[in-house]
Amino acid sequence: DADVTQTPRNRITKTGKRIMLECSQTKGHDRMYWYRQDPGLGLRLIYYSFDVKDINKGEISDGYSVSRQAQAKFSLSLESAIPNQTALYFCATGTGVGNEQFFGPGTRLTVL
Amino acid sequence: DAKTTQPPSMDCAEGRAANLPCNHSTISGNEYVYWYRQIHSQGPQYIIHGLKNNETNEMASLIITEDRKSSTLILPHATLRDTAVYYCIVLNTGTASKLTFGTGTRLQVTL
Repeated sequence: DADVTQTPRNRITKTGKRIMLECSQTKGHDRMYWYRQDPGLGLRLIYYSFDVKDINKGEISDGYSVSRQAQAKFSLSLESAIPNQTALYFCATGTGVGNEQFFGPGTRLTVL
Repeated sequence: DAKTTQPPSMDCAEGRAANLPCNHSTISGNEYVYWYRQIHSQGPQYIIHGLKNNETNEMASLIITEDRKSSTLILPHATLRDTAVYYCIVLNTGTASKLTFGTGTRLQVTL
């Protein structure tokens, strides 16, 4: 079984809808991250969390919110989706030691 | 965190060594060099990291110049499965472990 899982893997939605992307991990890591990737570009950090009570904004947090329900779960929400949020979204985990991060398979989100 | 410069693309014949360069001329003393790769829209995969000494693991070798202003990732015997975008990232491990991905180098391994 994969160590970092994301659901759904693909989602098509309409402008204005509320969307939640979920991430679960079995690696036992405290740190979790959400990134987005636009075509031809690198990944950009949306939010990150160092433990259940710690939530921090990344470089592009506007229009997004997150919830760290447990050490193993970190959800990303789009309260009112807009077309320029169409992207590939990745969740990652890390221990902080060595800064190695482990990425999930990604969620492809399309907002029409 | 220091910025990095990488060539946008490179080709390599299968079985040959792939040498991917990265410039990080503004790197500071407490910043590490990390390499990740992304195979066709999959999640990025950690490869290796180093501070100032050369490093080697089962995937690759990392050569950092003495002045630390540039580095080279070496895949000793590239295979078709190494075709991917390779990202060089400079990171202060004392910060929040926030990886900043640029556009990377697209390595195409050919027969």
